[in-house]
Amino acid sequence: EAGVTQFPSHSVIEKGQTVTLRCDPISGHDNLYWYRRVMGKEIKFLLHFVKESKQDESGMPNNRFLAERTGGTYSTLKVQPAELEDSGVYFCASSKLAGGPRETQYFGPGTRLLVL
Amino acid sequence: KQEVTQIPAALSVPEGENLVLNCSFTDSAIYNLQWFRQDPGKGLTSLLLIQSSQREQTSGRLNASLDKSSGRSTLYIAASQPGDSATYLCAVGRGANSKLTFGKGITLSVRP
Repeated sequence: EAGVTQFPSHSVIEKGQTVTLRCDPISGHDNLYWYRRVMGKEIKFLLHFVKESKQDESGMPNNRFLAERTGGTYSTLKVQPAELEDSGVYFCASSKLAGGPRETQYFGPGTRLLVL
Repeated sequence: KQEVTQIPAALSVPEGENLVLNCSFTDSAIYNLQWFRQDPGKGLTSLLLIQSSQREQTSGRLNASLDKSSGRSTLYIAASQPGDSATYLCAVGRGANSKLTFGKGITLSVRP
């Protein structure tokens, strides 16, 4: 079974540019989460999809971030325009919807974003 | 607001030593607690998950305990090996399908 995949693995862009990150969850996982780790800080939640619907987007920092999950499969996270403070590692995770308290979230390898 | 603390930030031990990694959280109303391992440049791998109704879980040389009332969890690693060197993260789940709240992690180095 393939794990959670993320693309690209690294991205270096200049301030003001646009970047789109992609996440492919494990097949059959309706839950999809985005998290971010800024240097020196803990991993923080950004948002949660259930299938194609946004269930919780309380962690999205501002309206420069746009997440989509068309068709309830893969998801994209667009940052437009990027700012220096957006640099960090963006993780995607997925899990089964009815997994219960024993259900873990499976994490992808992350996308390392550097905004210059 | 749930806050998760892991102290110290880094730990270096000689090979073979038994060690305990600590995690504390401020809100005892948790759904589950997980310990993850992260190797440099890699994603997170779930090591152990403890449901709120459980007190401990074991997997091989790893044992995780949970004391909800005191807001603490420990990860015990027996007979540490250089291959155990990694960052260990504690994360708390609030409810079914909900987000995880992470600590900053403990970077462990096991010296040969």
